[in-house]
Order: sequence, then C-alpha cells, then structure tokens
Amino acid sequence: NAGVTQTPKFQVLKTGQSMTLQCAQDMNHEYMSWYRQDPGMGLRLIHYSVGAGITDQGEVPNGYNVSRSTTEDFPLRLLSAAPSQTSVYFCASTKGTSGQTQYFGPGTRLLVL
Amino acid sequence: DAKTTQPTSMDCAEGRAANLPCNHSTISGNEYVYWYRQIHSQGPQYIIHGLKNNETNEMASLIITEDRKSSTLILPHAKLRDTAVYYCIVRDAGGTSYGKLTFGQGTILTVHP
Repeated sequence: NAGVTQTPKFQVLKTGQSMTLQCAQDMNHEYMSWYRQDPGMGLRLIHYSVGAGITDQGEVPNGYNVSRSTTEDFPLRLLSAAPSQTSVYFCASTKGTSGQTQYFGPGTRLLVL
Repeated sequence: DAKTTQPTSMDCAEGRAANLPCNHSTISGNEYVYWYRQIHSQGPQYIIHGLKNNETNEMASLIITEDRKSSTLILPHAKLRDTAVYYCIVRDAGGTSYGKLTFGQGTILTVHP
C-alpha cells in the first residue's frame, strides 16, 4: 500500500489564483480530512469527509472547497488564493469514522505571493 | 474534546527513557488519550492510544493515572531520530466527533548524543 499520497509537494501561487491539492489513499478508509499547519503551530482541521459524497467543515474552512466523489480521493480546492493561505497542508485518512488511528500524507507546502 | 496541557520542550539523552507528561484534567469517561508525533517537515505519525489501562506497543508505552487526569508517554530507549514534536490528544472515539483530531502545541522533544 502507498498509504496517503499528496501532490504536489511544493507550490507557489500568486494572489487570486486557484488550484487543487490532491490527496489519495489506497487503504479503503471511509474518513478523510484536510489540515493546515502554520509555522510553529499545531494542525487545524479545514474540511473532512465521512464517506463518498459526504463532506463537512472543520475549524478553518473559509477559502477552501472539497468534494468526495470516490472513497480514494479527497481534493482540496483553493478558490482564490490569499497570502494568509500560505501554509503546509496535510491530508489524513482513517478506517471508519471513529478515528482510532489517522494516517497522514507527507504534506504540500504552499506559498501564496 | 478535553483540553490537554504539555510542557513546551524537553531534552533526553540518547539511550535513556524519555517520559513525556500530559495533563487532561477535564477528560470524560468515553474519551481516549492519543499520542502522535511529528518529525520535522513530515506528516504526524500515530504512536499509541489508551482509555484506562496502560498500553504498550513497539514504539512506546502509555501510562494513564487511575483518575485519568494525566498520562505519560514513555519512549524506553530514546534515539536521535525520536527528536520530534509530540502531541497528546484527548478525544471521543465515537459519536459525532467523526475522527476529528484537535492538535495543541505539543512538546518538542530533543534527543541528544
């Protein structure tokens, strides 16, 4: 199993540009989530999904959209990038919704100029 | 989810046991204690979790006090590669929490030669 994969590893955007951060898992996990981590801070939950076709907002959802058309994929869309969205983004997945053990991807480092 | 309190940083000599404390005085009866760690620039990694009883796996041991108001993560023989930020997280394993993890600041553990 590849586990949780994220692409790209690095990205530089200009203010106002849009982009999609990709996340995929091959463990057939029902639950997937997106976090952001700012320098020196813990992770904050952006959006999560408890299964295909079901998504919900986390702690800091503004400026981001998600969709879950398949069990494997959970892309995160930045609609109009802002410098405040400069961060490291982590995707995670868990078997079931109980969140016993979350598996994290390697992260995407995003810089918005 | 109950709030946790951890020391900001700790040092440990290589080969010695690292004991990382966590206070969670408002923990409720159905909340588990989870430990994750984040090695620099990587995604968080699950270490161990427990409810009431002490737990041990190949990575660490978790000691939970009888009143469940605090716990200690023990790395029995710390290695240089164990240098990381360690997060203690208390959360409900079911219900409507849907696996959401709330990360605090964590403890920066530095293992030195």
